[in-house]
Amino acid sequence: SQQGEEDPQALSIQEGENATMNCSYKTSINNLQWYRQNSGRGLVHLILIRSNEREKHSGRLRVTLDTSKKSSSLLITASRAADTASYFCATDAYDYKLSFGAGTTVTVRA
Amino acid sequence: DAGVIQSPRHEVTEMGQEVTLRCKPISGHDYLFWYRQTMMRGLELLIYFNNNVPIDDSGMPEDRFSAKMPNASFSTLKIQPSEPRDSAVYFCASSFGLGGYTFGSGTRLTVV
Repeated sequence: SQQGEEDPQALSIQEGENATMNCSYKTSINNLQWYRQNSGRGLVHLILIRSNEREKHSGRLRVTLDTSKKSSSLLITASRAADTASYFCATDAYDYKLSFGAGTTVTVRA
Repeated sequence: DAGVIQSPRHEVTEMGQEVTLRCKPISGHDYLFWYRQTMMRGLELLIYFNNNVPIDDSGMPEDRFSAKMPNASFSTLKIQPSEPRDSAVYFCASSFGLGGYTFGSGTRLTVV
């Protein structure tokens, strides 16, 4: 079953712009992770944020977590064509199983 | 490290045939996961292992599906007999503890 729900389902931006996507989940979590999937490929781990953390950065990525609202956001700054992919949030509800959302498809136009 | 290695990359089989998917996790990782991805249902966890022991197989759709991990460097997912609705991309992933997962490139299964 999918615990995370990403919003929007699809996003189209110009190269150089920022892209923001959100994830909402239903139950208490141990951590939340974001993954990227390029067309026809496997998922690539981007960043993990623990339930006691509020914000985390990795290069051009910024993730926030609001456990009171059961939501997270992923910001990609200064987007590039290579950022075109689907992005998934995944939650671990203390059971060592990651539940993935349906994903946000991001298209970066040159 | 070459990452998580899955084989075959593509498999086309006839309904009723047995299908075996293979996975070699990253050396030193103690968790192994099998996921299935379809447009309709997204990514579904089928089963996962910890130190070669199956921990949770509640996501396995039915008795036609079985998975084994005979040692730390190899796992199989078998479907017997296969049906058209099993067509999907099957991913294997491994992790050390509950850090980020490393996914393989997947096996695209088509059952005709």
